[in-house]
Order: sequence, then structure tokens, then C-alpha cells
Amino acid sequence: SYELTQPPSVSVSPGQTARITCSGDALPKQYAYWYQQKPGQAPVLVIYKDSERPSGIPERFSGSSSGTTVTLTISGVQAEDEADYYCQSADSSGTSVVFGGGTKLTVL
Amino acid sequence: QVQLQESGPGLVKPSETLSLTCTVSGGSISSYYWSWIRQPPGKGLEWIGYIYYSGSTNYNPSLKSRVTISVDTSKNQFSLKLSSVTAADTAVYYCARVVVVVAATLTYYMDVWGKGTTVTVSS
Repeated sequence: SYELTQPPSVSVSPGQTARITCSGDALPKQYAYWYQQKPGQAPVLVIYKDSERPSGIPERFSGSSSGTTVTLTISGVQAEDEADYYCQSADSSGTSVVFGGGTKLTVL
Repeated sequence: QVQLQESGPGLVKPSETLSLTCTVSGGSISSYYWSWIRQPPGKGLEWIGYIYYSGSTNYNPSLKSRVTISVDTSKNQFSLKLSSVTAADTAVYYCARVVVVVAATLTYYMDVWGKGTTVTVSS
């Protein structure tokens, strides 16, 4: 079955830039999406179609794609950004929805 | 503003069928896809499947033999049934609205989520 691979954890100091990667063989052909999940809460969409930002999401959240890797970048990280982040895409046929394993972002 | 609310038993016995309903308010269930996603304690998200308001479905291959998702447009609800449950099915279950993106192939993402409901499988 198709998999998306994320680092388990990323740590940054406040004000610095956090980059969370997601790798998958079908990513050159499929859009990626990113969700933020805080403890005890439902996920919230922060990036869609690789790099688009939904209304209400701060400009410090951005997304990019290069080959088999997509990246979520959070510029000027704030304490409130501490959360789990999940990438999501589809397999090469577009049949199955797949989530990455998640990355815990820690703000030091 | 569309809101989703999951409902159903919080405790299910092993080998029985888990049944949950998602009620859509603030908008119509028509013209959209709707999905179920779950999250075991301390683990990541797992897509279960989705349904179009017309009734067509697509399921996670790893769960396909045990999953049924249905829709009731008259009640603005869609439902999940998961049969022959075990402790491994213990999780928070989320319902969500699905947006379809038409590109070289179709992709899907979830733009509105319910708050989730905890289901424990135990005797």
C-alpha cells in the first residue's frame, strides 16, 4: 500500500522557521494537503493543493513541492503553532486517501 | 457555516458492529463527498472511506471488507458501520466534508471536520 513519510518530530525556537517534509512516490502527480492538530482537537486544514492557504490561516504557513517531497514551512514560529502536523495525498490512481504518520512540532 | 457532529455508542463489544452517524448542519449534504477518518490513541490519522451524496462509495482497502458507509439525504446525515470490531478499532472517529480537486487525477481533501467521538472496543 502507498505510504507518505514524515519525520516524527521537529523542534524550533520561537521566531525561527520550521520545515516539515513529507515524501511519497506519487507526489509528483498528486497534490498534497497539510493539517494541524492540537491536543484533544480535530485536525484543521492549513495548506491545500501543495501551496494554497485557506482563508483564516496565517501567512506564516506556506507549502511547496519538489519531486517526491512536499514541505510545510512555518515562518516566525509562535508558541501557538506547537501541534502535530499531517500531510495527506492520494495514491497514483487517485483512488485511496493517504495520511502521513504525522510530525510533532515542538516550540522550544 | 457547515458544522458536523458525530454520534453513537462510546463502547462496543468485541466482534460486534460499530455504528456511528454524522449530522450535517448549516448546509446541505447534497453535491459533496463525505468521509470518515479515525485516530487510535496516541497514533496518526487513518482514512476509512468516503461517500458521495448520491450513494457511491470508496473505502480504505485495509478496512473494505468490514466497512459500510451510507447516506440519508432526507436527514442530512451519513453513517458508518464497522463490523467484527476488535480492540485495534478503539479510536477517535471523525466525520468530515470532502473537497474534490480535479487535476491529472482526482484528489480529495477534508475542509470541515467534526469534533470527533471516542469509541472503545471492550467487553
